[in-house]
Amino acid sequence: QITLKESGPTLVKPTQTLTLTCTFSGFSLSTSGVGVGWIRQPPGKALEWLALIYWNDDKRYSPSLKSRLTITKDTSKNQVVLTMTNMDPVDTATYYCAHHYYGSGSLYWGQGTLVTVSS
Amino acid sequence: DIQMTQSPSSLSASVGDRVTITCRASQSISSYLNWYQQKPGKAPKLLIYAASSLQSGVPSRFSGSGSGTDFTLTISSLQPEDFATYYCQQSYSTLGYTFGQGTKLEIK
Repeated sequence: QITLKESGPTLVKPTQTLTLTCTFSGFSLSTSGVGVGWIRQPPGKALEWLALIYWNDDKRYSPSLKSRLTITKDTSKNQVVLTMTNMDPVDTATYYCAHHYYGSGSLYWGQGTLVTVSS
Repeated sequence: DIQMTQSPSSLSASVGDRVTITCRASQSISSYLNWYQQKPGKAPKLLIYAASSLQSGVPSRFSGSGSGTDFTLTISSLQPEDFATYYCQQSYSTLGYTFGQGTKLEIK
């Protein structure tokens, strides 16, 4: 059974750096073709794809946010970490992590975590 | 980067209707196109991957087609549980995997 869960702060101040951790089980991020990605959704708005890391450490970022994002993996801990710098109130959103298989979509998702950016 | 444009943005339909949602990519993405359904307060659910492959467990009334830049999601006979928001996503670009802006399917 594959599960993913996001963790991190629920409230951050403007200009701060957000660090989110995705802890997963039921698969290994050392298996060929497997990736874990991050997606966010501001309240009432559309999904926005942020970043993804593959089993071979191939990393992909949203071009519009690339300068602010870093994605890393810890295969031994079954975790993927996303950092986003210089947070702004417009970054208020539910942040999801999701399992992704190369050439397919994201079948397994975490429950999401709401991050609010406010002073 | 690749832009994904869905149409329509919203759609009213009745139970039993046949519904088609389109998604256009700003450049060719071969068949690297996925469709998701999202209901309020829930994570998205994968319906179709690789443009036309039905995810296991998804009802056969859902189908996808297309390649290159133009894609469609068709629901052959709407059921009450199908009223939701639908998103396309390209998973082709090394510069990142973008979603469309979504299509909200509402009950007429």
